[in-house]
Parts: sequence; structure tokens; C-alpha cells
Amino acid sequence: QSALTQPASVSGSPGQSITISCTGTSSDVGTYNYVSWYQQHPGKVPKLIIDDVNYRPSGVSNRFSGSKSGNTASLTISGLQAEDEADYYCSSYTNSVIFGGGTKLTVL
Amino acid sequence: QVQLQESGPGLVKPSETLSLTCTVSGASISTHYWSWIRQPPGRGLEWIGYIYDSGITKNNPSLKSRVSISVDTSKNQFSLKLNSVTAADTAVYYCARGDFTLIVPFDIWGQGTMVTVSS
Repeated sequence: QSALTQPASVSGSPGQSITISCTGTSSDVGTYNYVSWYQQHPGKVPKLIIDDVNYRPSGVSNRFSGSKSGNTASLTISGLQAEDEADYYCSSYTNSVIFGGGTKLTVL
Repeated sequence: QVQLQESGPGLVKPSETLSLTCTVSGASISTHYWSWIRQPPGRGLEWIGYIYDSGITKNNPSLKSRVSISVDTSKNQFSLKLNSVTAADTAVYYCARGDFTLIVPFDIWGQGTMVTVSS
């Protein structure tokens, strides 16, 4: 059961949009629409920002959106803000749970 | 307001058993899936296992049979035991709530507790 593949880092300037990819296999991301995304600021607890591929929990900014195509899920953050600088993790249901390795977002 | 709080020793000797408890307040532990997740220093998240319906459990295959998860419904707590620990088990351990009918998503997390494996 390998981890989902995410880029180690992405960056963008305030106001721009960025996309973080999360690549799995036909046994996880490709089969189940249970992809979640978590935001983790340094030293803090992970926070759920997207579940079921593209559903935003109450209270999460609409600047965050999710999608999926085949075995790859994506998180898009529009209108980048300094407070978005954090680590982002995807996860997928696969009769258990696997996480991606995490992506560090830097806001330039 | 649902809250989770991990508790347990912060230092465990190699080859011994790591034991942690998660106390749930604001919700009944008899509903939802409840998981343990860990994060080694500077690294990513790893799902350890879950307990559901007051006794159904499933563990991450990568941890083989070292993991045991149990529940105490009278105290609204669930617990983790990880045996034969090594330095590789040093991590922040989180408990987290899943959905009513599925392991995911993890919508509420405890604050996490750091466990160091060292002699």
C-alpha cells in the first residue's frame, strides 16, 4: 500500500492560483470518490478542507476547490493569501486509508 | 462541540508497548469511526487504524499485527497499543473522528501527543 504521490513543494504569489496534484492508482483514487485534503500549518493540527473529492466543509473558504480525473486528484487554491502558506495532504479511502507525502505551499 | 484529547506517556523504551488513550467529549463514541493517525517529526501523515461500532477494528497493513485498538464506551474513550516499538515509531500521535458510515473524512482531530521511543 504505497503513499499517494504529491509534489514536495509549490509556490505562488498573492492573488494567484495554484494547483496541487495527488496521484494514486486504480485501487484508490481511481475507484473511490473519497478523496480528502488537509491543511496543516507548522506545529498545528491538520484541518479538513475538502472531502469527497470536491466538497467543502462548513467554514472553509470557497477559494479552495477539489477535483479528480482518473487516478489523480487535485486541490486548487485561488486568490492566494499569505495565510495559505502551509503543508497540504491528500488522502484516499481504499478499504483503509492512505495519505500523500504532503506538499509545502510557499506564498512568495 | 466535539473535542478529542490524547493522553499517555511521552517516552517509551525500545521493544516495549506504546499505549495511548483518546477521550471524546461532546459526542458518543458509539457513533462514527474513530482513528489513530501519526506523524513522525518533519514527515507526513500515516493512518494507523480505526475502531467502529464499539469493537470493529481495522489496522494499517504496514504495521502488521503490532497494533491493537480498543474502546471503553463507559468512559467515552478509545485506546491504542503499539507493541515492539522502535525509534521509527517516534511521532506525534493524533486521534481523529471519521464519518458515521466510513473511515473518512477526518473532520475532528485531537491536539496530538508526541511519543519518543528511546532508552
